[in-house]
Amino acid sequence: DAGVIQSPRHEVTEMGQEVTLRCKPISGHDYLFWYRQTMMRGLELLIYFNNNVPIDDSGMPEDRFSAKMPNASFSTLKIQPSEPRDSAVYFCASRQTIQRQETQYFGPGTRLLVL
Amino acid sequence: DQQVKQNSPSLSVQEGRISILNCDYTNSMFDYFLWYKKYPAEGPTFLISISSIKDKNEDGRFTVFLNKSAKHLSLHIVPSQPGDSAVYFCATLSAQKLVFGQGTRLTINP
Repeated sequence: DAGVIQSPRHEVTEMGQEVTLRCKPISGHDYLFWYRQTMMRGLELLIYFNNNVPIDDSGMPEDRFSAKMPNASFSTLKIQPSEPRDSAVYFCASRQTIQRQETQYFGPGTRLLVL
Repeated sequence: DQQVKQNSPSLSVQEGRISILNCDYTNSMFDYFLWYKKYPAEGPTFLISISSIKDKNEDGRFTVFLNKSAKHLSLHIVPSQPGDSAVYFCATLSAQKLVFGQGTRLTINP
């Protein structure tokens, strides 16, 4: 299995631009999580889906952030408009319902820099 | 309002010695704790966990200690090896979600 796939791996954009991060979970996994890593706050859960339905988006910073999961094999995290403080590494993770909650398989992350 | 705190951003240890990574938490209701390891350009991977009914859990070179009264946990790695150089995150489960600390970058020097 290829594991969780994220694209792009690196993104540099200018303030005000729209940014779209993509994630392909492991086949058969029915939970998908989006995290953000910063030096100050570590890893923060932004939103998670179960069977393509958003369950908890309380970690989404503000309305500029949105996430979708149109099908079981694809999810997007969009930032519009982007701001320099959004610069971080964004991780996607997935797991199966039958697995323990700590058994999340993380992707390699997307490093975002907003200038 | 960081619920899980790792106050040391970095730690440097000589190969063969013991590495001790620390973590504090704020809510005494937390009852399950975890450590994750992250290499550069990779996502975190689960390392070891401990339930609040225990005060120690050991897995090979890795041991996690839990002090509930102090709301403190630590990860001991002995002996430390160069491959242990990574960022280590402590975490807990809260409302079925993983809550992570800021991470500690461990460097093992030869």
